[in-house]
Amino acid sequence: EVQLVESGGGVVRPGGSLRLSCAASGFTFDGYGMSWVRQVPGKGLEWVSGIYSNGGSTSYADSVKGRFTISRDNAKNSLYLQMNSLRAEDTALYHCAKHTDYYYYYGMDVWGQGTTVTV
Amino acid sequence: QSVLTQPPSASATPGQRVTISCSGSTSNIGSRTVNWYQRLPGTAPKLLIFTHNQRPSGVPDRFSGSKSGTSASLAISGLQSEDEADYFCAAWDDSLNALVFGGGTKLTVL
Repeated sequence: EVQLVESGGGVVRPGGSLRLSCAASGFTFDGYGMSWVRQVPGKGLEWVSGIYSNGGSTSYADSVKGRFTISRDNAKNSLYLQMNSLRAEDTALYHCAKHTDYYYYYGMDVWGQGTTVTV
Repeated sequence: QSVLTQPPSASATPGQRVTISCSGSTSNIGSRTVNWYQRLPGTAPKLLIFTHNQRPSGVPDRFSGSKSGTSASLAISGLQSEDEADYFCAAWDDSLNALVFGGGTKLTVL
C-alpha cells in the first residue's frame, strides 16, 4: 500500500523550532519529487516547499523562505522539514505529498494525513 | 489573496453538470499544467485531474479538466451527493518559483 506518514508536529512558542518527518512506503521513493503543503482548518491549501527526487533542487514559498529547510534521505525513504523561527501564522496541519514525476512542478497524487503544528 | 482565482462557492442538484473556474496568468496557467484537487471534510486532499486532463486511477470519468489561455475549468457531470467537497486548482508559477493554489470552491449538492 502506498503510504505517507508524518510526525514531529507539536506546540512550540514563537521563535522556536520543529522538525517534521514523513515516512514513505509502497513506492520507489527516490523516483518522485516531494512537497510539504499546509492547511488551516476551514481554509485553503498553501504549498510550503518542494524537493526533486534526487534532492538536487529545492524551492520554498516566500512565506517560509529563509526559515524552513526541506530535505530527504532516499536511503531511509524519508522526507523532512526543518522549521525555525516559527511564527503564529505557521500554525497549520502539515501534509507531505508525493508528486507524479521527478520534479515538484506536477500534481501530487499521494498525501499523508498530516501533523499539526501550533505556534 | 490567492494567485489563482476561484469562485468561493458553487451548487447544483444531483445529476446536473457543474463547472468550476480557475483564473491565473501567463506565468502559471498560461504556461504550466493545471491540477485539480478534491478535499472532503476531515480528509487530506485528493488529486482529481493532472496535466490538464489526466485522471489518476480510481477517479471516475465524470470529472474532467480543460484549459484555455490563462484560465482552467473543472467539470463534474452526473453530480452525486458524495461530490460535495472543496475543490482547488493548482499550478507552478514561473515568476514566483512556487506552486500556487486557488482559494478553493465549496461545492454544495442541493
